[in-house]
Amino acid sequence: DTGVSQDPRHKITKRGQNVTFRCDPISEHNRLYWYRQTLGQGPEFLTYFQNEAQLEKSRLLSDRFSAERPKGSFSTLEIQRTEQGDSAMYLCASSLLQGTIGYTFGSGTRLTVV
Amino acid sequence: GESVGLHLPTLSVQEGDNSIINCAYSNSASDYFIWYKQESGKGPQFIIDIRSNMDKRQGQRVTVLLNKTVKHLSLQIAATQPGDSAVYFCAETANTGNQFYFGTGTSLTVIP
Repeated sequence: DTGVSQDPRHKITKRGQNVTFRCDPISEHNRLYWYRQTLGQGPEFLTYFQNEAQLEKSRLLSDRFSAERPKGSFSTLEIQRTEQGDSAMYLCASSLLQGTIGYTFGSGTRLTVV
Repeated sequence: GESVGLHLPTLSVQEGDNSIINCAYSNSASDYFIWYKQESGKGPQFIIDIRSNMDKRQGQRVTVLLNKTVKHLSLQIAATQPGDSAVYFCAETANTGNQFYFGTGTSLTVIP
């Protein structure tokens, strides 16, 4: 296991289209997090899962956003009816429930809405 | 909401010098802090962490200092190298292991 994997690395989509991103966490990590990062800013929390349960969602996660982690392993983040303001880097992180608290981030998916 | 900020958006240092990056936070309930390094096109990379019951922690060439009285965090990098050039973020949480609040970031440039 080489870390947190995100796919795709880059996505260009037309406004109004739906997009889906995938995150594969470190295999033994129970917790999985989604963040969004715009240029020049720090990451902003969107949501997190403990195993398959989605335990917390940010106000930033509008109705057009949905995240799933059906089997407690990989997760998907879907954005429906994309808007130009959705253009950002979408970062996934994972961590152990116990022990090491610090997150391990993936390299992110860069979304550009045109 | 939370407020985590950095005093300086950019910092340039000569190779071999020590670097100090500062961060202020506003939530007195914050109990866990992390410094991250982010290189262009990559996700944030964990550097060092510190809990609120400590005021100093050292790693390899890095030291984090926490002053809870003034809600201030700093990252010291010894003998800065060109590979240290990146954006550095502090992040804090008040409920350890859940969502973190990140500052804007400080861009460190190491001059050879």
